[in-house]
Amino acid sequence: RKEVEQDPGPFNVPEGATVAFNCTYSNSASQSFFWYRQDCRKEPKLLMSVYSSGNEDGRFTAQLNRASQYISLLIRDSKLSDSATYLCVLYNAGNMLTFGGGTRLMVKP
Amino acid sequence: DTAVSQTPKYLVTQMGNDKSIKCEQNLGHDTMYWYKQDSKKFLKIMFSYNNKELIINETVPNRFSPKSPDKAHLNLHINSLELGDSAVYFCASSLYTGKRTDTQYFGPGTRLTVL
Repeated sequence: RKEVEQDPGPFNVPEGATVAFNCTYSNSASQSFFWYRQDCRKEPKLLMSVYSSGNEDGRFTAQLNRASQYISLLIRDSKLSDSATYLCVLYNAGNMLTFGGGTRLMVKP
Repeated sequence: DTAVSQTPKYLVTQMGNDKSIKCEQNLGHDTMYWYKQDSKKFLKIMFSYNNKELIINETVPNRFSPKSPDKAHLNLHINSLELGDSAVYFCASSLYTGKRTDTQYFGPGTRLTVL
């Protein structure tokens, strides 16, 4: 089983839609969780950290469920510019990040 | 100014050749990394250096040798290139204060194609 699993998509949604991605992880000792965004042929960039209490940044909401070992990302009011691949990322000891394969989102006009 | 820069951006070479990719960060960070992103888009850590010292060395063939002349630079040298080495290689850096929330900043990537 992969350490971090994501549905690769693509998720095709119209502008203005709400879309949610989930990610499951196998290592219960994982300490921190993040969502990164990667545009086509570009480098990954940190989108937001994920906390057990849930956190929100504008149209983006991230949630962590340690008991079920999954994290989620909700995007409200999708924009064309949200089209990208969203990477679920775990932090383990030694400042080591483990990346999921990413979920591709395509927002259509 | 680019925070994490890599050269070259594209590298096309023949099997068996030796090549190097350079990485520099001007963020004053102590830790630098090399990642490989294969055709299936999985990003995997290869190496990590903290203040010029190797701290992470994942299962990578010893044809890959990182070199850190100072904490702002981490170069990757690859000997005897193979077809399976074709991928995008990303350099990254972080402050590495020991806090688990350190953000890693990635360079633009080097797309290596081995023919």
